[in-house]
Amino acid sequence: EVQLVESGGGLVQRGGSLRLSCAASGFSFSSSTMNWVRQAPGKGLVWVSSISGSSTTIHYADSVKGRFTISRDNVKNSLYLQMNSLRDEDTAVYYCARDSSFSFWGQGTLVTVSS
Amino acid sequence: DIQMTQSPSSLSASVGDRITITCRASQGISNFLAWFQQKPGNAPKSLIYAASTFQSGVPPNFSGNGSGTDFTLTISSLQPEDFATYYCQQYHTYPFTFGPGTRVDIK
Repeated sequence: EVQLVESGGGLVQRGGSLRLSCAASGFSFSSSTMNWVRQAPGKGLVWVSSISGSSTTIHYADSVKGRFTISRDNVKNSLYLQMNSLRDEDTAVYYCARDSSFSFWGQGTLVTVSS
Repeated sequence: DIQMTQSPSSLSASVGDRITITCRASQGISNFLAWFQQKPGNAPKSLIYAASTFQSGVPPNFSGNGSGTDFTLTISSLQPEDFATYYCQQYHTYPFTFGPGTRVDIK
């Protein structure tokens, strides 16, 4: 059974940092592109970042480029999102999603940026 | 960036109705189009990828069609569990982009 479990969300001050994790199981993690998508309260879905299975190809949305870093550990079957210089507009539920067609999503973790 | 639009933005329908949601890309994306269903408080669920290919376990009353810039998601007979918000997404070109969503609620 495919499982994606996000963790690491919480309340953080504006300008602060947070590291999200996504633990994967039930599929070949190392061969899967992985993605982060966020959803602000009451709003739609927004793609944040993607990383290829071997970490050789990485993409970011312009809104997070230079502040967020995506990474993965294929031994631990885990995906990460290091978020620095957090802004109010980064407040959202953050989801990890499997492969290029976003075939499976975790339950999400809430990040709240407060002044 | 490729802009995705959806119509309608919301609709009210009854159980058993047939509904169609339209998604349009601002430039051609071949068939790199996915559809997702999201219920309040839940994560999105993938329904269709490659414009018309079902994810495992998706009921047969859902169907997807289209290529290039124009796509549709059709629910042939609405069931109570189908009332939700539906999003399209292009994964042809980074940055990947989602449509704004179509909310389907009970008439």
